[in-house]
Amino acid sequence: DVKVTQSSRYLVKRTGEKVFLECVQDMDHENMFWYRQDPGLGLRLIYFSYDVKMKEKGDIPEGYSVSREKKERFSLILESASTNQTSMYLCASSLPGTAYGYTFGSGTRLTVV
Amino acid sequence: AQRVTQPEKLLSVFKGAPVELKCNYSYSGSPELFWYVQYSRQRLQLLLRHISRESIKGFTADLNKGETSFHLKKPFAQEEDSAMYYCALSGQAGTALIFGKGTTLSVSS
Repeated sequence: DVKVTQSSRYLVKRTGEKVFLECVQDMDHENMFWYRQDPGLGLRLIYFSYDVKMKEKGDIPEGYSVSREKKERFSLILESASTNQTSMYLCASSLPGTAYGYTFGSGTRLTVV
Repeated sequence: AQRVTQPEKLLSVFKGAPVELKCNYSYSGSPELFWYVQYSRQRLQLLLRHISRESIKGFTADLNKGETSFHLKKPFAQEEDSAMYYCALSGQAGTALIFGKGTTLSVSS
């Protein structure tokens, strides 16, 4: 029944490492999104994509990049992990348009030490 | 600027009491508004959308354009309603959902 799958539930990485967070959806959705979720800050948009090979910056893109080579997969890359990137990362997908809700993955808890 | 404000970080009520989770938004056009819920150790999931005008798990929300609000209400809270609730706004096409900071609802017996 799982429709949006994030490859890791927990990750621990060292400062300076390059980190890849993977997200796959099986609903043939055009839109995919990466948010980070922090207590007291809610969900903040990092990047999103409306089509293969397309990407748009969200509110907090600094220190991150994304890749979308296939429709079903949207990867978040931390170029050089820092401790302030310790967070819960949520991937979501949706149909095109503004009226549809998002389907979220279960999240990846990343700790950078 | 588009913005969603949830003024309460925590709302504590007793079982059977009415619940109102507040959400105010800032958007110049006609927004689409949503409520999402995250139960403990579960993924974030859509609770309801204003265009559906539906009631899910006893919750309803009415869009008030004059007050720019989309408050979530339930007449009688249950313990299983304890969760984190996020209000979200979808504005113009080509933009992503904007979320509020969330309200934790705690229902005790």
